[in-house]
Amino acid sequence: AQTVTQSQPEMSVQEAETVTLSCTYDTSESDYYLFWYKQPPSRQMILVIRQEAYKQQNATENRFSVNFQKAAKSFSLKISDSQLGDAAMYFCAYRNTKTSYDKVIFGPGTSLSVIP
Amino acid sequence: EAQVTQNPRYLITVTGKKLTVTCSQNMNHEYMSWYRQDPGLGLRQIYYSMNVEVTDKGDVPEGYKVSRKEKRNFPLILESPSPNQTSLYFCASSLSLVISKQYFGPGTRLTVT
Repeated sequence: AQTVTQSQPEMSVQEAETVTLSCTYDTSESDYYLFWYKQPPSRQMILVIRQEAYKQQNATENRFSVNFQKAAKSFSLKISDSQLGDAAMYFCAYRNTKTSYDKVIFGPGTSLSVIP
Repeated sequence: EAQVTQNPRYLITVTGKKLTVTCSQNMNHEYMSWYRQDPGLGLRQIYYSMNVEVTDKGDVPEGYKVSRKEKRNFPLILESPSPNQTSLYFCASSLSLVISKQYFGPGTRLTVT
């Protein structure tokens, strides 16, 4: 069965500094998607970044980038120039969708605090 | 505006009283899912639907039912709610197999006493 692990329940970062959130997953599939979602206190789920497993190039979105290591089944999120608005819960998610099923697994989350 | 709506946003009910949480999307998406979010566990998939009249169990389906009679709607039904179903519930939709981005609803906070 697929699993997603986030080993850091809580992290903190100084404003303007860089922080990396860890995520590992387990799957026997070769074709899947990985995501990082942000959940602020409003509880809204906001997509931060997406990575297709068949792409070797790491995805980037402005200050957010990932380090995707397929063989190691690792998918970490790097936030550069951290801002107060980055404080939130961050979830790593795995999605494997075929014609017969749509499996989505979330990690337990990492709570990120940003220190002014 | 493209969106996923859920109703109600907050609900307090008693054990055994049947309830339905509605979910609707206006993007003509094929795929829809229900999740529950609990502290320390992240979001867990309850049920999903890959098209009208096509639904299947996720990881935690016990105590829940769903239906997909129309493409836009995917209600979650709790026939006999119990306190262990107290949780934050999210509905999500996505366009297709290739377009994998999920759009999430605002969430429904359910308390069963």
